Amino acid sequence: QKEVEQNSGPLSVPEGAIASLNCTYSDRGSQSFFWYRQYSGKSPELIMFIYSNGDKEDGRFTAQLNKASQYVSLLIRDSQPSDSATYLCAVRGWGKLQFGAGTQVVVTP
Amino acid sequence: DTEVTQTPKHLVMGMTNKKSLKCEQHMGHRAMYWYKQKAKKPPELMFVYSYEKLSINESVPSRFSPECPNSSLLNLHLHALQPEDSALYLCASSQSQLGIANSNQPQHFGDGTRLSIL
Repeated sequence: QKEVEQNSGPLSVPEGAIASLNCTYSDRGSQSFFWYRQYSGKSPELIMFIYSNGDKEDGRFTAQLNKASQYVSLLIRDSQPSDSATYLCAVRGWGKLQFGAGTQVVVTP
Repeated sequence: DTEVTQTPKHLVMGMTNKKSLKCEQHMGHRAMYWYKQKAKKPPELMFVYSYEKLSINESVPSRFSPECPNSSLLNLHLHALQPEDSALYLCASSQSQLGIANSNQPQHFGDGTRLSIL
């Protein structure tokens, strides 16, 4: 079983709609969770991080964490073509991050 | 542009060459990381330096040799690489090493060095 799991996609989202990305993790003791956006050929860019159960909003992005279900999600509201990228979920392990394989999001005009 | 600067952006080298990748940050971060990323795969951790000391080596072959001359600089020395080592090499930094002393500080990545081995 992979430690951090994401659907690889592609997730096709109409422009203006909400994109919903999911991530599950296996280590129940995990404390911090990160979402990175990566455009093709570029480096990962930090979008959100969340430590507490519940929702955290930043602009068009909302991260949701449910530690009991070992589940973290990212919502992108009013999706734009510029949101087309791969989104990496990362979970803090001891001294390092565990990355999921990433979900490719394609926003269609 | 990121606050973690990597040079060079691109590097092509033969299997017998010796080259170095460089990474610099001026955010006062005390943890620095090297990752390797192949196409359509997530970053794979190679090394972690915490307070200028090697903290994690993820069983990386000895043809990759990291060095941390000071708290702002991180090098990766390359020697006798193989074609399968062609990848994007990413440097990252964080305020302190994740998991140490309950640190949750996020990692910030540089733009990477795209390495091609002929």
